[in-house]
Amino acid sequence: SSELTQDPAVSVALGQTVRITCQGDSLRNIYASWYQQKPGQAPILVIYRKDNRPSGIPDRFSGSGSGNTASLTIAGAQAEDEADYYCNSRDSSGDLLLFGGGTKLTVL
Amino acid sequence: QVQLQESGPGLVKPSETLSLTCTVSGGAISGYYWSWIRQPPGRGLEWIGYVYHSGSTNSNPSLKSRATISLDTSRSQFSLKLSSVTAADTAVYFCARLRAAMADPYFDNWGQGTLVTVSS
Repeated sequence: SSELTQDPAVSVALGQTVRITCQGDSLRNIYASWYQQKPGQAPILVIYRKDNRPSGIPDRFSGSGSGNTASLTIAGAQAEDEADYYCNSRDSSGDLLLFGGGTKLTVL
Repeated sequence: QVQLQESGPGLVKPSETLSLTCTVSGGAISGYYWSWIRQPPGRGLEWIGYVYHSGSTNSNPSLKSRATISLDTSRSQFSLKLSSVTAADTAVYFCARLRAAMADPYFDNWGQGTLVTVSS
């Protein structure tokens, strides 16, 4: 399969923990990366190779994965975390790079 | 920190060719994969294709071979040409540096994006 599936929208209370998931057959063999995109801005990388954080990304962001599902967890969500989040991986058959449809995170 | 900047026309007529250039500064262009990604208004991200510093390329089959990506190392630039455009090609186009393309890929640096509208 050449798809990555994300829930369209998720909400979290300020200061609480939220998990955003991404499902796809390729995730059984290939690690996902995650991007945060705020309105009118370019995406920024927040997690790569399942659970690695680029410098400058707060440690409340973490990644994990099991089976065909990758997860992005935000522990203690802040108002500035309200954004769209996209997962990314590669099709297990070879050369096709994939993005999930995106999850809109609302911080209440 | 490497920086990327897209440039090109913001308006293209239907059936014509969209041409964009991405200029890379603050880092080497050699040794990396360079990619184009687009985002139609109000929608998600779509990978278009990439070029490696050797000149090898790969693109999304959904574009039916309309996309051509090339590299000019002497100018630290890479380019996208998308032929036979329609209104469906209207999008913000991003350039980005792609890491680990053949393993667990990720885009670690992005340009700010440029809106291209296809309209007569």
